Amino acid sequence: GAVVSQHPSWVICKSGTSVKIECRSLDFQATTMFWYRQFPKQSLMLMATSNEGSKATYEQGVEKDKFLINHASLTLSTLTVTSAHPEDSSFYICSAQSRAARNTEAFFGQGTRLTVV
Amino acid sequence: GNSVTQMEGPVTLSEEAFLTINCTYTATGYPSLFWYVQYPGEGLQLLLKATKADDKGSNKGFEATYRKETTSFHLEKGSVQVSDSAVYFCASNTGNQFYFGTGTSLTVIP
Repeated sequence: GAVVSQHPSWVICKSGTSVKIECRSLDFQATTMFWYRQFPKQSLMLMATSNEGSKATYEQGVEKDKFLINHASLTLSTLTVTSAHPEDSSFYICSAQSRAARNTEAFFGQGTRLTVV
Repeated sequence: GNSVTQMEGPVTLSEEAFLTINCTYTATGYPSLFWYVQYPGEGLQLLLKATKADDKGSNKGFEATYRKETTSFHLEKGSVQVSDSAVYFCASNTGNQFYFGTGTSLTVIP
């Protein structure tokens, strides 16, 4: 299947700093990318959906000024956690979908474990 | 609206036991249905999928059949192994976004 690479796989940062997480589709063009947050032993919570070249659509309750999403190309989307706080510590997962694969499959990155100290 | 409900865990089984994890969905339209597996510290990997009613998805000994009449997509495996220990997510997709169940943690003991 298609490959989605997420980087970094883990990061520790100080409270108040910003962290950028990258999500790349390696062998297909991702017209849509999704960003999820997963709390321990819980399901995935969709944070936002981004389509290439347009602004991301955020789910209710997700602060768009805190979680900046950029999807500037068909192979790269980034999530920047700005002014991170300990409560932002979580597992973040991206997934990517091509136009041809809509309704059939999305491919997931390996996730990023963010710890804010 | 769209939603997915799956059996709560955790589930603990002995090796070679039979596994069933129930999953039901509600959807507007005709979704595709998926089972994803997540190993500790990793992202989600597609286990199997079915795109229309009566389709059976299968992979690595796991099976699930898309039942439109019962809006279900139960995951089964005849003989589990220790390496099957993971969290399993049922999901639906109507083309706009994925809807995930809460996940079921499976532990297989030797």
